[in-house]
Amino acid sequence: NAGVTQTPKFQVLKTGQSMTLQCAQDMNHEYMSWYRQDPGMGLRLIHYSVGAGITDQGEVPNGYNVSRSTTEDFPLRLLSAAPSQTSVYFCASSDFSEQFFGPGTRLTVL
Amino acid sequence: QQPVQSPQAVILREGEDAVINCSSSKALYSVHWYRQKHGEAPVFLMILLKGGEQKGHEKISASFNEKKQQSSLYLTASQLSYSGTYFCGTVGMDTGRRALTFGSGTRLQVQP
Repeated sequence: NAGVTQTPKFQVLKTGQSMTLQCAQDMNHEYMSWYRQDPGMGLRLIHYSVGAGITDQGEVPNGYNVSRSTTEDFPLRLLSAAPSQTSVYFCASSDFSEQFFGPGTRLTVL
Repeated sequence: QQPVQSPQAVILREGEDAVINCSSSKALYSVHWYRQKHGEAPVFLMILLKGGEQKGHEKISASFNEKKQQSSLYLTASQLSYSGTYFCGTVGMDTGRRALTFGSGTRLQVQP
């Protein structure tokens, strides 16, 4: 039981590049979400999903896309990376009570 | 809207107690508490649900005042391992009971 896994752990992009952050969970949770955490700050919700085929926007969705084709996977796509998207990204899944967080992806956009 | 946490930071000696507060301006379905150590992911501590149900760890206690939309986390007889940043997360009655909105955190440092 791996819990929530995220890849890659670290990534450096140039402005304008696109990429996908991967997230997978093996707990059969319906609810999954993506957060970003800037230095010294709390977690801000980007997008979330309540099940396969259903997604919705969080507090800071601009510049990010998501899709949920399976229960297990919830990838986050950066369409055209900007320096303001430099952050640590956490994926989480939930059984409607406790949220289980992945280890995070540290993204730097130059 | 983001819940407001207080204090922003606190320093304790081992064995001392601390209270961290979280308040929201909107009606809440639940309040969650997490602890995050530097460079790591947040870890679940406690959830408090509207109606009084609680789920969490044995050594952590918390309260949820539904009328005031406020929650407090009580850390008693603090240990060095309690150091970290504590976040409250709230689920509003208007968000389908799923989306968590986090506060900006309270940094707790426990010294020997």
